[in-house]
Amino acid sequence: EIVMTQSPATLSVSPGERATLSCRASQSVSSKLAWYQQKPGQAPRLLIYGASTRATGIPARFSGSGSGTEFTLTISSLQSEDFAVYYCQQYNSWPPITFGQGTRLEIK
Amino acid sequence: QVQLQESGPGLVKSSETLSLTCTVSGGSLTGYYCSWIRQPPGKGLEWIGFVYYSGSTSYNSSLKSRVTMSVDTSKDQFSLKLTSVTAADTAVYYCARHYYDGSSYSVWGRGTLVTVSS
Repeated sequence: EIVMTQSPATLSVSPGERATLSCRASQSVSSKLAWYQQKPGQAPRLLIYGASTRATGIPARFSGSGSGTEFTLTISSLQSEDFAVYYCQQYNSWPPITFGQGTRLEIK
Repeated sequence: QVQLQESGPGLVKSSETLSLTCTVSGGSLTGYYCSWIRQPPGKGLEWIGFVYYSGSTSYNSSLKSRVTMSVDTSKDQFSLKLTSVTAADTAVYYCARHYYDGSSYSVWGRGTLVTVSS
């Protein structure tokens, strides 16, 4: 099973600033890596797939990078609606498909 | 626009079977997979497995002995059964539709909370 490790667990950033979230895989997942945003009481929302492709309707301030075992989600200028929990997911080697434990992005 | 809706009992007794249905509306399930993902309160996401519209399946080995997934194309429904539940199975259960087996998930249901009681 591929273990996905996200860091940090909690990130405090001020609105308008840049946020950088990390995800590491225990073995290579190529570019088969997705990022999700989840707000309280809601289902996860797909932001990025293929490590760097924005999903339909996702603002350009969200960008993904990386391949192999190291991945980054960058939010260039935080808006109030961006404060949420973010998960990475690998879908290269399965079963099982695995998710990171999440990074909580909070207002500083 | 395709929508998914999970349904089933919100309360299940310990040792009994959890049964949920995911109904697809505004689109077809033909040619698609349905994954089930769960999230215990305050915790992260766990992939349970997926079922293809043809009926083929893939399960998480951690739950494989207790999980059965199926599909009813006539009703546009996917189903999940989890036997011998315990309090550890208390979670929000989501279904997600996807086109490839190993895939990210762009279409999710809203989720349904299932509580296992003793």
